[in-house]
Amino acid sequence: AQSVAQPEDQVNVAEGNPLTVKCTYSVSGNPYLFWYVQYPNRGLQFLLKYITGDNLVKGSYGFEAEFNKSQTSFHLKKPSALVSDSALYFCAVRDEGGSYIPTFGRGTSLIVHP
Amino acid sequence: KAGVTQTPRYLIKTRGQQVTLSCSPISGHRSVSWYQQTPGQGLQFLFEYFSETQRNKGNFPGRFSGRQFSNSRSEMNVSTLELGDSALYLCASSPDGQVVTPLHFGNGTRLTVT
Repeated sequence: AQSVAQPEDQVNVAEGNPLTVKCTYSVSGNPYLFWYVQYPNRGLQFLLKYITGDNLVKGSYGFEAEFNKSQTSFHLKKPSALVSDSALYFCAVRDEGGSYIPTFGRGTSLIVHP
Repeated sequence: KAGVTQTPRYLIKTRGQQVTLSCSPISGHRSVSWYQQTPGQGLQFLFEYFSETQRNKGNFPGRFSGRQFSNSRSEMNVSTLELGDSALYLCASSPDGQVVTPLHFGNGTRLTVT
């Protein structure tokens, strides 16, 4: 079985400061990990993914994520937050040998204060 | 390329009625998935179609059904609507239905049941 946890319902950060949105996962085999962002009244947008290779993955809008196998984590990061980054962020996982259907976390609301 | 298109964007229905939602995937995409999003339950998987065949199904009652046409367009139907069916229904497509491929989401249909 596969599962993913986003331990924070909400993250608050000041504009210009670095941000981190946390995600931990559990799978039987190798994980395929994804981050999506959702703006109000919109669908989810793909930000980045980890399949294999370099543990630091770079994605859209200046976001990056670090895969840590020993801690089973895939935290989303950005060096300098923008007010426009305020949105709902979802982490998702698929198991290499498992179902095509990803398991999504419950989402973390990121609020960037001016 | 046009994105995933969902129609209508908003719907208001009465308990007991039935509703049909439509999804046009990105051109060339063969996999279409449907999700229900609510504040309390987060993102819940409904079903996935690949080349007109239902390949995966979530844990929803039989009132929820779907289909995919030969042009990959998909519809989902909810019969005998209940108040708890009020939600944002999201459609997502991918070109190949592979576990390494991210999903492309539409902006959803907001269904309100009164």
